[in-house]
Amino acid sequence: SQQGEEDPQALSIQEGENATMNCSYKTSINNLQWYRQNSGRGLVHLILIRSNEREKHSGRLRVTLDTSKKSSSLLITASRAADTASYFCATDARTDKLIFGTGTRLQVFP
Amino acid sequence: DAGVTQSPTHLIKTRGQQVTLRCSPKSGHDTVSWYQQALGQGPQFIFQYYEEEERQRGNFPDRFSGHQFPNYSSELNVNALLLGDSALYLCASSLVTSGQETQYFGPGTRLLVL
Repeated sequence: SQQGEEDPQALSIQEGENATMNCSYKTSINNLQWYRQNSGRGLVHLILIRSNEREKHSGRLRVTLDTSKKSSSLLITASRAADTASYFCATDARTDKLIFGTGTRLQVFP
Repeated sequence: DAGVTQSPTHLIKTRGQQVTLRCSPKSGHDTVSWYQQALGQGPQFIFQYYEEEERQRGNFPDRFSGHQFPNYSSELNVNALLLGDSALYLCASSLVTSGQETQYFGPGTRLLVL
C-alpha cells in the first residue's frame, strides 16, 4: 500500500509560474525524498530532507518538512516546460525501503 | 560512469508464462531494490538484495523471486504471470555503507501480460 498521498493529483501552470505540491505520510521517518518521473520512465532523484531538517534548497527547488504534521511540500520556482513530469515523494519509514506516494502530475505550458 | 541499466526495455508475455528481468547497478553500489509501478500509481517495493541475500520484502506473492550475483547485478523473476502483473518494473541501486539513503533508478522494463 502507498505510504501517503500527494496533493494535488494534477497541476497545470504557465511557464514562469511557481508550482507547489504537497505530500502527506503515515509513519515515522528518517528522511523524505522527492523524485521526478518523465513519461513513465525511470525516476530521477531530486532532493532528500532528513527528519531533523525543516527546509532545504537545491537550485529552483525548495522542500519543507513538518514531522509533527507528517507532511512535506515541494516548490518549483520559475517553472519551465521541461519541468513537465510526475513528482513523487518517498519515505523510508525507518527501514531500508522506499515507500512512494501516489504522485502529482505537473504540466507546464510554454 | 554508467548509471543503473535494465533489460529488456519492453516485454510482452502471455498469462501463465514466466519472465526474467535484469538489472545492473550503478558503479560502486552493492544493494539492489526492485519496484513495481502500475499505470497511474507510485512505485511499490517488491524486495531488496544485498550480499546476494534478500534483505527485505514487500507485500508481493512468492511468484515474485529474485537473485543477486557476485558482481551485484540482479534478476527479478515472475512465475505464472497474471494480467495484473502488467506494469513498469524499476530497479534501484544504492550503497549500504552510505545508509542507502539515495536510491538511483534505472529506466525500467515495461511488461505487458496478455
